[in-house]
Amino acid sequence: KAGVTQTPRYLIKTRGQQVTLSCSPISGHRSVSWYQQTPGQGLQFLFEYFSETQRNKGNFPGRFSGRQFSNSRSEMNVSTLELGDSALYLCASSLAPSAPLGVNEQFFGPGTRLTVL
Amino acid sequence: EDKVVQSPLSLVVHEGDTVTLNCSYEVTNFRSLLWYKQEKKAPTFLFMLTSSGIEKKSGRLSSILDKKELFSILNITATQTGDSAVYLCAVASGSARQLTFGSGTQLTVLP
Repeated sequence: KAGVTQTPRYLIKTRGQQVTLSCSPISGHRSVSWYQQTPGQGLQFLFEYFSETQRNKGNFPGRFSGRQFSNSRSEMNVSTLELGDSALYLCASSLAPSAPLGVNEQFFGPGTRLTVL
Repeated sequence: EDKVVQSPLSLVVHEGDTVTLNCSYEVTNFRSLLWYKQEKKAPTFLFMLTSSGIEKKSGRLSSILDKKELFSILNITATQTGDSAVYLCAVASGSARQLTFGSGTQLTVLP
């Protein structure tokens, strides 16, 4: 079974630009979560999508947004990039919430390394 | 606000040593606690713990959860240089798909 895939793997942008990152979950997984990882703040939850609806949102400004498509693939968008947005963006997939307890662990993709100059 | 605290922040040991990594948490509506190992890329899943007092074991790694005292430990015996990584503890709460991560423990195993 293929794992979680993320594209692109590396991205360099300048301040003020916008960026779109893509995530394809493991086949059969319907929940996709996004995380930002920086040396200073560690791993922080951005948002989670299930059945094309945002179910949870972390404490990030409105410049960070996302969506999920009917095939469970997800995109996140960051507008008006700031230097502090430089980070590793990780996507994780998990089964639907009705899955039995014990199989709701999240599997991470390799991440997209975003550098804002 | 949910909070997960890991200690120590970093640890340097020699091959063959045994290490214990700690994770304490304060969350609303606890569902499960997860341990991940992160080398240079994405975190890889190690264990998920939901019940108190039941040890999960995989080779030289083991973990246990104490829901009364709100902490978990991850033990690694007979450490090897390949165990060098950041070990992350995360707690699933509420919907169980939103994870709150600790800052991680950087483990370095010297030959």
